[in-house]
Amino acid sequence: DAKTTQPNSMESNEEEPVHLPCNHSTISGTDYIHWYRQLPSQGPEYVIHGLTSNVNNRMASLAIAEDRKSSTLILHRATLRDAAVYYCILSADYGGSQGNLIFGKGTKLSVKP
Amino acid sequence: DAGVTQSPTHLIKTRGQQVTLRCSPISGHKSVSWYQQVLGQGPQFIFQYYEKEERGRGNFPDRFSARQFPNYSSELNVNALLLGDSALYLCASSYLPWAGQPQHFGDGTRLSIL
Repeated sequence: DAKTTQPNSMESNEEEPVHLPCNHSTISGTDYIHWYRQLPSQGPEYVIHGLTSNVNNRMASLAIAEDRKSSTLILHRATLRDAAVYYCILSADYGGSQGNLIFGKGTKLSVKP
Repeated sequence: DAGVTQSPTHLIKTRGQQVTLRCSPISGHKSVSWYQQVLGQGPQFIFQYYEKEERGRGNFPDRFSARQFPNYSSELNVNALLLGDSALYLCASSYLPWAGQPQHFGDGTRLSIL
């Protein structure tokens, strides 16, 4: 079962920042927070991941709440190519998941020109 | 560098048949995972392999099996196909099979069962 909660859909305007929220109130201390996105007719694409500290890469930033019960994926300037389903996933090296990804329904992001 | 490659890209089978799907991981990646994505849903984990050993299995029937070869490529086999097996089958690779490692996905094999 997915252990994260995301809005079903969000809209953004092109060239504006986008903040995609994710709640994971049952997160444990060793759960990593991963974000993937999936464009139509493609496999999921890795975006970013983190454990406790905020993370930045060329695609996005990940802001993790101090209590780790929520996180936010930040796209600094949305483009039309960012329109996709965004998945927030917890992954751990214990229990049944053993580092695998348990996908939920994700957030469908639409970007308006 | 080449990404994860899967073959074939599309496949049509009939009920009761058997199918083999293939996956080549990114060069240097030693772990391969398989996922099934039914239309309108997120991918569901089927198997994970590392160094030719099965490291994890999702909630799928025994009709599903897989293996990993010495060159780290992998095959997913599905026997006695059912209509409900129609889906996009995704392969993902990572350097190591740990939660802190990102997984890189191929674009999948679209399997249609008639």
